[in-house]
Amino acid sequence: EAGVVQSPRYKIIEKKQPVAFWCNPISGHNTLYWYRQNLGQGPELLIRYENEEAVDDSQLPKDRFSAERLKGVDSTLKIQPAELGDSAVYLCASSLDSTRRTGELFFGEGSRLTVL
Amino acid sequence: GNSVTQMEGPVTLSEEAFLTINCTYTATGYPSLFWYVQYPGEGLQLLLKATKADDKGSNKGFEATYRKETTSFHLEKGSVQVSDSAVYFCALSASNSGYALNFGKGTSLLVTP
Repeated sequence: EAGVVQSPRYKIIEKKQPVAFWCNPISGHNTLYWYRQNLGQGPELLIRYENEEAVDDSQLPKDRFSAERLKGVDSTLKIQPAELGDSAVYLCASSLDSTRRTGELFFGEGSRLTVL
Repeated sequence: GNSVTQMEGPVTLSEEAFLTINCTYTATGYPSLFWYVQYPGEGLQLLLKATKADDKGSNKGFEATYRKETTSFHLEKGSVQVSDSAVYFCALSASNSGYALNFGKGTSLLVTP
């Protein structure tokens, strides 16, 4: 069974440029998460989807970040314009609703963003 | 709010040494506790979990016991191997935060032959 797939793995851009990250969750997983992991820190939740609905986006910086999950499967996270402080690894994870409460999330390998 | 504090790394051990990585938490109610592991070049994966006080989670020779009296969930392994070299994250989830995982900063472990 394929795991959570993210792309690109690495992205280097100049500040003020836009960037987008894509995530394909495990088939059948209705819950999808985007986390941001700064260097030397643990992952921090940006947004959680239940199917196509964003049920928790309280930590998403809405002035420059946006996300969508059309049809409740793949998801895209966008930053426009990027700032130096956005350099981080962006992690996508998915889970079944039944396992969400037990904390069993399946993570992708992450997209490492460097903003110059 | 909920938070997790784990010991700073990096931790360097020789093969077959005993491992302890300390983790304490702050949360209201009765959180579930987890250890996630990130091997080099791979994504985070669940190592073990405990959902109520005095539960012991175990997997791959690792153990952690949910201690409500000390709000701790320390990770232990009796004899580490080179293949255990990774970054270990303690985490919690609780109903008051919609069961979102709240991670510690991670502890890097390097096991040398």
